Amino acid sequence: GAVVSQHPSWVICKSGTSVKIECRSLDFQATTMFWYRQFPKQSLMLMATSNEGSKATYEQGVEKDKFLINHASLTLSTLTVTSAHPEDSSFYICSAREQGGLFFGSGTQLSVL
Amino acid sequence: SQKIEQNSEALNIQEGKTATLTCNYTNYSPAYLQWYRQDPGRGPVFLLLIRENEKEKRKERLKVTFDTTLKQSLFHITASQPADSATYLCALDADNTDKLIFGTGTRLQVFP
Repeated sequence: GAVVSQHPSWVICKSGTSVKIECRSLDFQATTMFWYRQFPKQSLMLMATSNEGSKATYEQGVEKDKFLINHASLTLSTLTVTSAHPEDSSFYICSAREQGGLFFGSGTQLSVL
Repeated sequence: SQKIEQNSEALNIQEGKTATLTCNYTNYSPAYLQWYRQDPGRGPVFLLLIRENEKEKRKERLKVTFDTTLKQSLFHITASQPADSATYLCALDADNTDKLIFGTGTRLQVFP
């Protein structure tokens, strides 16, 4: 199946700093990528749809100025958590659609101190 | 309101038995439904997709059914093994968009 690479796997940062998470489709081109957030023992919640060459589409309740998404190429989307706070600590997962289905990165565990 | 419900309680079964997991949805009209496996600290892994006009789909020891009248999908693992222990998520497209909405998942534990 298709491979989606996500980096870093985990990050610890101080409150107020910004964190960038990268999502790459390794063996296919993805005009659309999706960013999810998952709290412990909860479902994946869709945050935004990342569109190559255009603005991301955010789900209701997700602050676009806090979660900056850039999809500058057909194989790379980035999510930047700006001015992170402890409540932003979560598991962030990206995904991209390829013919057979939706393929996910391995996730990024963000811990904000 | 729209909901996707999976049994939040863990399912514990003995090795060799068939595991059956349930996914019910409300106020959606999905064109397809998908099942994923998620291990702790990892992203979900795609298992099966079943379309609204398909009643059943199989892949090796996995079987999925889709009843659009009952608004329910069942996910079966036959001859279960301890390696099948994981959380299983169902997901459906939100009103024929490209967005997938996930259920909360059911944790399966297969013991020897």
